[in-house]
Amino acid sequence: GQQVMQIPQYQHVQEGEDFTTYCNSSTTLSNIQWYKQRPGGHPVFLIQLVKSGEVKKQKRLTFQFGEAKKNSSLHITATQTTDVGTYFCAGGEWSGNTGKLIFGQGTTLQVKP
Amino acid sequence: DGGITQSPKYLFRKEGQNVTLSCEQNLNHDAMYWYRQDPGQGLRLIYYSQIVNDFQKGDIAEGYSVSREKKESFPLTVTSAQKNPTAFYLCASSMSGYIEQFFGPGTRLTVL
Repeated sequence: GQQVMQIPQYQHVQEGEDFTTYCNSSTTLSNIQWYKQRPGGHPVFLIQLVKSGEVKKQKRLTFQFGEAKKNSSLHITATQTTDVGTYFCAGGEWSGNTGKLIFGQGTTLQVKP
Repeated sequence: DGGITQSPKYLFRKEGQNVTLSCEQNLNHDAMYWYRQDPGQGLRLIYYSQIVNDFQKGDIAEGYSVSREKKESFPLTVTSAQKNPTAFYLCASSMSGYIEQFFGPGTRLTVL
């Protein structure tokens, strides 16, 4: 079945350093979404990418969707302690507009002040 | 104040007992989803429903059952057939199609 792999599983950075998490799908995706889950909390939607090669920015966060619509990345510039949490990518199936998402395993970010 | 509510936050049950987790939304969303979260495994889809009185199995439906009798409600029953039910269960909803999903606060189920 369709799989979405996300790396790395964990990342520890010093405050101010950059951070990147990568997401790869075994099949072409119709769209990709990114979510953030704070420790003890629930996932919160960050953004959705739909177009091939799309790049979107939210302040210090940059999201990319690959040309083949099979991979994506999230890059955080100059991390802050408020960035701590687990970041999930979630891919939408290509066929059938079911709304069904396949989540990656997530990347847990720790930021040392 | 619109949102998704799940109750209870923590639930303890003895092995062999069925248990039902509640999920209610007042966002007027058509689609609702149940996920299971285990450490290091991300979110895995149990069941989803795009419309009232209709639902589909997700990737790990065995040992679970759902109903969708009302648009606002999508309860999940963890049956005794589920071999490893201890987990964090998350309910989500969205407008139909590939739109952002809104998650509830989750229920942490522990089976003793």
